[in-house]
Amino acid sequence: GQQLNQSPQSMFIQEGEDVSMNCTSSSIFNTWLWYKQEPGEGPVLLIALYKAGELTSNGRLTAQFGITRKDSFLNISASIPSDVGIYFCAGREMNRDDKIIFGKGTRLHILP
Amino acid sequence: DAGVIQSPRHEVTEMGQEVTLRCKPISGHNSLFWYRQTMMRGLELLIYFNNNVPIDDSGMPEDRFSAKMPNASFSTLKIQPSEPRDSAVYFCASSATGHEKTQYFGPGTRLLVL
Repeated sequence: GQQLNQSPQSMFIQEGEDVSMNCTSSSIFNTWLWYKQEPGEGPVLLIALYKAGELTSNGRLTAQFGITRKDSFLNISASIPSDVGIYFCAGREMNRDDKIIFGKGTRLHILP
Repeated sequence: DAGVIQSPRHEVTEMGQEVTLRCKPISGHNSLFWYRQTMMRGLELLIYFNNNVPIDDSGMPEDRFSAKMPNASFSTLKIQPSEPRDSAVYFCASSATGHEKTQYFGPGTRLLVL
């Protein structure tokens, strides 16, 4: 079945650095979502994208819906300790209005 | 709004016992999803409902798993009999109608089957 390829699997960065992660699919999506999950909690929606080429920001976070509709990226600028967690991309295929597929996640570690 | 509510938050049981997980979606949302999360397999969609009707249960592992949604404000996921390999975090999520049907997750139920 459809799978999302999310990379990198994990990142170790210094506080203050920028972060970039991305997600690709083998088919066309009409929605891309980015979630963050902290230990002991459920995923929390960060950014939702609904149009190809759409670029959306949420504070220090910026995400884009790729022009090909098969990819999306998430950038975090000037990382801080509370950015630690697992970031998941998720998407909805064309003609599959309700079912969302999740990537495996990018685990972000921030070194002091 | 209180968000998606799940209970219990933690469950420890012995192999062979019946386990029932509960979910209350966000009021006004008409779609409800059950997910399972493990380190090995990540987030897996088990089943989802639209307007209380099961739409896709292809992710349900086997007959030991069943889910119901008797009304718009309540759903259960039951495992009978439970096995150690069912140990995982089970999430419930809900979404509204319309194009922007973003899913909102509950805090999860951590299940450990001994």
